[in-house]
Amino acid sequence: KQEVTQIPAALSVPEGENLVLNCSFTDSAIYNLQWFRQDPGKGLTSLLLIQSSQREQTSGRLNASLDKSSGRSTLYIAASQPGDSATYLCAVRYYGGSQGNLIFGKGTKLSVKP
Amino acid sequence: KAGVTQTPRYLIKTRGQQVTLSCSPISGHRSVSWYQQTPGQGLQFLFEYFSETQRNKGNFPGRFSGRQFSNSRSEMNVSTLELGDSALYLCASSLEGSSYNSPLHFGNGTRLTVT
Repeated sequence: KQEVTQIPAALSVPEGENLVLNCSFTDSAIYNLQWFRQDPGKGLTSLLLIQSSQREQTSGRLNASLDKSSGRSTLYIAASQPGDSATYLCAVRYYGGSQGNLIFGKGTKLSVKP
Repeated sequence: KAGVTQTPRYLIKTRGQQVTLSCSPISGHRSVSWYQQTPGQGLQFLFEYFSETQRNKGNFPGRFSGRQFSNSRSEMNVSTLELGDSALYLCASSLEGSSYNSPLHFGNGTRLTVT
């Protein structure tokens, strides 16, 4: 079964700390992997999209890596700020099965304390 | 450029009724997909449309249906509502054709409450 798992479910850090969010997936046959953030009551905001042929993507203080062989992706947030507080979701688009189906993890709820 | 627009923002319905939700994608985006988000199940894929054709469908009962119009706007319909249909329904659009190379852009969702 194609699944996506995110650990931890919640994380609280002091402002200024560098942190890593984890995402694991069960099948290496993927089109791509995308990281999103979701603020309470809102939709998802796309942060980074990594194609299956890529190893990492960077945007500002964010860096996402992809290791298909181990079925893992990490989202690195440098110098965290209270405004980074949100739920971060990882989504994997798998080949095969329901082709093009996007599977989401349940997210990591991040709280950055001032 | 305007983002993905979903209407209405909130809906309250009673069991047995039906509901139609609307999604206007970003201009130029031809792919629209729908997701259901609940605290217990998280985000689950409902269906995806591209050029007015349903391209993929998730594991939801036939009460859930959708369509896409020639201007790429999409609607989803839920008939015979059940309490368990209460959720945030999210629509996303993307540029992609068959290659799935483009990021998804989400609307703010429609919060459906079934009483």
